[in-house]
Amino acid sequence: DAGVIQSPRHEVTEMGQEVTLRCKPISGHNSLFWYRQTMMRGLELLIYFNNNVPIDDSGMPEDRFSAKMPNASFSTLKIQPSEPRDSAVYFCASLFGPEDTEAFFGQGTRLTVV
Amino acid sequence: KQEVTQIPAALSVPEGENLVLNCSFTDSAIYNLQWFRQDPGKGLTSLLLIQSSQREQTSGRLNASLDKSSGRSTLYIAASQPGDSATYLCAGRYGGATNKLIFGTGTLLAVQP
Repeated sequence: DAGVIQSPRHEVTEMGQEVTLRCKPISGHNSLFWYRQTMMRGLELLIYFNNNVPIDDSGMPEDRFSAKMPNASFSTLKIQPSEPRDSAVYFCASLFGPEDTEAFFGQGTRLTVV
Repeated sequence: KQEVTQIPAALSVPEGENLVLNCSFTDSAIYNLQWFRQDPGKGLTSLLLIQSSQREQTSGRLNASLDKSSGRSTLYIAASQPGDSATYLCAGRYGGATNKLIFGTGTLLAVQP
């Protein structure tokens, strides 16, 4: 397996624009996590899914953020409208829930909102 | 509230020294604990997973322990090398059914040649 795949790797956008980040988890994994990483706040859990169902979105900072998982192999994190304070690295991770196994991370998307 | 903290926040040691990184968690109902390494500008690489039935896990020069009752985990690095310089993060997994993964604040390690 190619691991957790995120796209794009880098995104530069203007304030007010819509941004969509994408994640393909490892095949067979049934839990998917979205994190945001900044120097000030470290790694923050935004939302996570089990079997494509959102379990906890309490970390989503504002209504401008939304996430979907339409099927087991794809998830999106959308920011609309984007603001400069959304600039961060966004990571996606997946694991296979019933088993006592590792979580694996994607390489992240570095978002810059100007 | 489930929280994971790491101390120290930063550590600088000379090459060859043995060192210990600490991770504390508030909820002892932790399912398992995973240690990661992150190089600057890169993603997270899994180092060790201490499974729910284990108290310790070893990989090469790394040894991680888990004490659920005291809410602590440690990562021991033997004979440190400049290539070990990175940020080390621990993550606690909670709730077998819900699989919540909570990260610590990280320890920035610098190994001086």
